[in-house]
Amino acid sequence: GAGVSQTPSNKVTEKGKYVELRCDPISGHTALYWYRQSLGQGPEFLIYFQGTGAADDSGLPNDRFFAVRPEGSVSTLKIQRTERGDSAVYLCASSQGLAGGLETQYFGPGTRLLVL
Amino acid sequence: GQQLNQSPQSMFIQEGEDVSMNCTSSSIFNTWLWYKQDPGEGPVLLIALYKAGELTSNGRLTAQFGITRKDSFLNISASIPSDVGIYFCAGQLRGSNYKLTFGKGTLLTVNP
Repeated sequence: GAGVSQTPSNKVTEKGKYVELRCDPISGHTALYWYRQSLGQGPEFLIYFQGTGAADDSGLPNDRFFAVRPEGSVSTLKIQRTERGDSAVYLCASSQGLAGGLETQYFGPGTRLLVL
Repeated sequence: GQQLNQSPQSMFIQEGEDVSMNCTSSSIFNTWLWYKQDPGEGPVLLIALYKAGELTSNGRLTAQFGITRKDSFLNISASIPSDVGIYFCAGQLRGSNYKLTFGKGTLLTVNP
């Protein structure tokens, strides 16, 4: 597709359940980022992939959160034992991944997660 | 946590008026970016600034990278109804060439 796509667009789950959120980056982009946006706040960095490897996962709030990108394209953010405080919009972004950074990050529409 | 102070939190203006919003930080940033976010969508990049003192325009939008590298402003001239949305400043801290730090946003409402 032309842009970053994310599925599902909305997810409602119960406290304690496991959820997976998917991101399809722009074709050819090797860098992929996950951010979390709480209500009334700006996005906050979670994790950055360069290719298949997580180059920086310092933003993941705790060990219930992890993300994978096994083939260097699609990424899945996984949340175990969800808590009500995990409710937020999870945004994915991608960029070309050229050396030196300072690239434009293109955002997807986000997945709105609600934990009841 | 957030390291950017964005103001104002919200603005209500009449169509045709000019708008100004800004971001400040106690930290030095290598880049400053301004994004707009519409309901149900992800942020869309409006303007990117890469050098201290840089002044860049994109149509009716003008943004500047502060000389101290700790602040930036965004001006919108002759506002129109479709300017409604949330505007975020964002930056890449010195020492990080990929991680974006965002402000809390400015909600802009334009009355026709």
